[in-house]
Amino acid sequence: LAKTTQPISMDSYEGQEVNITCSHNNIATNDYITWYQQFPSQGPRFIIQGYKTKVTNEVASLFIPADRKSSTLSLPRVSLSDTAVYYCLVGEWTGRRALTFGSGTRLQVQP
Amino acid sequence: SQTIHQWPATLVQPVGSPLSLECTVEGTSNPNLYWYRQAAGRGLQLLFYSIGIDQISSEVPQNLSASRPQDRQFILSSKKLLLSDSGFYLCAWIAPPSSDRADYGYTFGSGTRLTVV
Repeated sequence: LAKTTQPISMDSYEGQEVNITCSHNNIATNDYITWYQQFPSQGPRFIIQGYKTKVTNEVASLFIPADRKSSTLSLPRVSLSDTAVYYCLVGEWTGRRALTFGSGTRLQVQP
Repeated sequence: SQTIHQWPATLVQPVGSPLSLECTVEGTSNPNLYWYRQAAGRGLQLLFYSIGIDQISSEVPQNLSASRPQDRQFILSSKKLLLSDSGFYLCAWIAPPSSDRADYGYTFGSGTRLTVV
């Protein structure tokens, strides 16, 4: 299973763009990259998923370089409500093995 | 639509008492089900996962056990709780691999905060 490395914490201000990078050097051919958001006392919530290049939805963008050894979650114009822990998961979603969550990145958005 | 229910939301139990946490999924068949635990300020630790009825895989040896008596029911149990069992317990599911989905990923329940005293 691909191991992921993320910064432990990040600080930002309202209205700024936040980019959180995840390293996954041993990503496998069939692995997808998925990001989750978790607020205190809640379960993680799916944000975005990608395999290669760029994916964008109403919440975030995900940038994946050609070698797929890293990925960057981009949150445009963050607000206080974006303060949360963000997890990067890498793996093949066959369900035969559960994926392991890393420690995540704690994003603190200041006014 | 698919939903996942987890209860109770909070639980305070004395050391040595038994535990039973229940998770049910609606709107899907043959889901893969998972139990995770999260200690305060920490990441998620996978405890058990199940790909079918009575098919349980344990990831971490511990004081807990899991059972799946029905397709959409996943139960986390303990015969005697320890102080170290305190934490935030999360149930999750993903659709079986044959589902026609554009995105793959976990859907989590709302969690149970367990405090062992």
